[in-house]
Amino acid sequence: GAVVSQHPSRVICKSGTSVKIECRSLDFQATTMFWYRQFPKQSLMLMATSNEGSKATYEQGVEKDKFLINHASLTLSTLTVTSAHPEDSSFYICSARTPGPATNEKLFFGSGTQLSVL
Amino acid sequence: SQKIEQNSEALNIQEGKTATLTCNYTNYSPAYLQWYRQDPGRGPVFLLLIRENEKEKRKERLKVTFDTTLKQSLFHITASQPADSATYLCALRSQAGTALIFGKGTTLSVSS
Repeated sequence: GAVVSQHPSRVICKSGTSVKIECRSLDFQATTMFWYRQFPKQSLMLMATSNEGSKATYEQGVEKDKFLINHASLTLSTLTVTSAHPEDSSFYICSARTPGPATNEKLFFGSGTQLSVL
Repeated sequence: SQKIEQNSEALNIQEGKTATLTCNYTNYSPAYLQWYRQDPGRGPVFLLLIRENEKEKRKERLKVTFDTTLKQSLFHITASQPADSATYLCALRSQAGTALIFGKGTTLSVSS
């Protein structure tokens, strides 16, 4: 199946710093990628839809100036958590859909990034 | 707004038994429903997709049913094994866009 690589897997940072998370589709081109956040024992919450070559679409309640998304190529999307605070500590996961007919709806996920803000 | 509920947070069964997980949804009529497996500290992995015109779908020891009248999907693992222990998530396509919306998941523990 398709492979989505996410890096780093774990990051610890000080409050006020910015953290960049990369999501790559290794063997396919992804025009659309999705960023989710997951707190312990909670559901994956969709943060934004990342579209190659255009602005990301953010879900209600997600601050676009805090969570910067860039999808500059068909194989790479990045999420930057700016001025991170302890409440931003969470598990961030990216996903992508392989190109093809609209009926090919399954998502391939990266392995996730555990962010801990001190 | 659309809601997805997986009523059981945890399910403990013995090896060899059949595990049955439930997913209910409201305020929505999805064209399909998906099930994923998530291991601790990892991203979800796709298992099965079932469409609204399909009553049942099977894949090896997995079986999914989809009742659009009850707005419910059941996910079965037959002859369960300790390696099946994980969190299982059901997902629907968002009404607003192309992303998937997930339930909270049911954590299955299979003891030998």
